[in-house]
Amino acid sequence: DQQVKQNSPSLRVQEGRISILNCDYTNSMFDYFLWYKKYPAEGPTFLISISSIKDKNEDGRFTVFLNKSAKHLSLHIVPSQPGDSAVYFCAASGDDKIIFGKGTRLHILP
Amino acid sequence: DAGVTQSPTHLIKTRGQQVTLRCSPKSGHDTVSWYQQALGQGPQFIFQYYEEEERQRGNFPDRFSGHQFPNYSSELNVNALLLGDSALYLCASSGEGTSPYTQYFGPGTRLTVL
Repeated sequence: DQQVKQNSPSLRVQEGRISILNCDYTNSMFDYFLWYKKYPAEGPTFLISISSIKDKNEDGRFTVFLNKSAKHLSLHIVPSQPGDSAVYFCAASGDDKIIFGKGTRLHILP
Repeated sequence: DAGVTQSPTHLIKTRGQQVTLRCSPKSGHDTVSWYQQALGQGPQFIFQYYEEEERQRGNFPDRFSGHQFPNYSSELNVNALLLGDSALYLCASSGEGTSPYTQYFGPGTRLTVL
């Protein structure tokens, strides 16, 4: 039973355009949501987070949007750069545990 | 300032054997969590250690056990290895003054069980 779902295994975006990564969750008790970025042979790196009391959080080129009624969050990267090519994990936390999605591999095309 | 370090990088074992993986947290961090990442999956929480005690545990059998030392470093032990235990094992640390959710991950140990 997947509580955090990333339905797109991969995504290809032209350099300079917007990348939108999506994530759905099923548990209403989650109170904090995070995005991690992972390069090959490295551990995941924290990117950006959002509390369930907010609907938007922005940090430079990265913005996370949360739609609680739809149990959906998205990560926007604008503009996309070659170094953004990586696997992105959505994660949700509650009760001191973190549940990760399966990840979306983002390819930024030159 | 060294980040989270893990050893070994790679490990090959056979079914039924036992394995110990090691983790040193980021300087200043006192909480260590372990995750298993199978191929094509996201990291799955195994357990978390704080003040040398297991504080939280995910849905993993008792074959998975751990330990935290006074210097906050940690070990993950897996007994009676199964083929399905082949995965990347990630260690993450967090500490006072940082959100427990914004953990710092190590590069992982790749375990292959033959």
